Amino acid sequence: AQSVTQPDIHITVSEGASLELRCNYSYGATPYLFWYVQSPGQGLQLLLKYFSGDTLVQGIKGFEAEFKRSQSSFNLRKPSVHWSDAAEYFCAVGDFGNEKLTFGTGTRLTIIP
Amino acid sequence: EAGVTQFPSHSVIEKGQTVTLRCDPISGHDNLYWYRRVMGKEIKFLLHFVKESKQDESGMPNNRFLAERTGGTYSTLKVQPAELEDSGVYFCASSQVMGAKNIQYFGAGTRLSVL
Repeated sequence: AQSVTQPDIHITVSEGASLELRCNYSYGATPYLFWYVQSPGQGLQLLLKYFSGDTLVQGIKGFEAEFKRSQSSFNLRKPSVHWSDAAEYFCAVGDFGNEKLTFGTGTRLTIIP
Repeated sequence: EAGVTQFPSHSVIEKGQTVTLRCDPISGHDNLYWYRRVMGKEIKFLLHFVKESKQDESGMPNNRFLAERTGGTYSTLKVQPAELEDSGVYFCASSQVMGAKNIQYFGAGTRLSVL
């Protein structure tokens, strides 16, 4: 069965600092990978997705993620965080053909001035 | 264009009572999904509708949960009778296509508290 691990439950970074959120997945074939973000009172918003092709994926709000098959990872990065990036971030893997998304437990991001 | 809408945003009920959650998908989206997040845990798949038909309900915890999708439009998720362990956030998502280009769009969720 597929699984997703987000090893960091909570991360605190200073505004303007760089950010990397870790995501490791377990899946037998080429995965479909997603990062979602949930801001307080909001729904899950899709940040970016990887289906195939270029392993470096650009998303909204200045985020990017890199698919590394050898490491089974799909880490999310941003060069300079803004206070509005404070939220909870979820990595997910989709299984082509059965339509389910399998999520990690999420990483809560706190931004300090 | 309106996104996925869920009602209510928060529901507090007592153990043994019945609660019905509603989801209105994005117009034109045939696929509708329900997920649940129990506190501190991952978001877990409950079931998937294609139009009015249940495509996959393998994630439904037990027969106290009943999901319906009237006419392939909005969906309801009823919990009867509710137990303490049913507390959590229930998310609904919808998508237009299946397979390789499936992108699920989520609502804000319904927070269910069973006391």
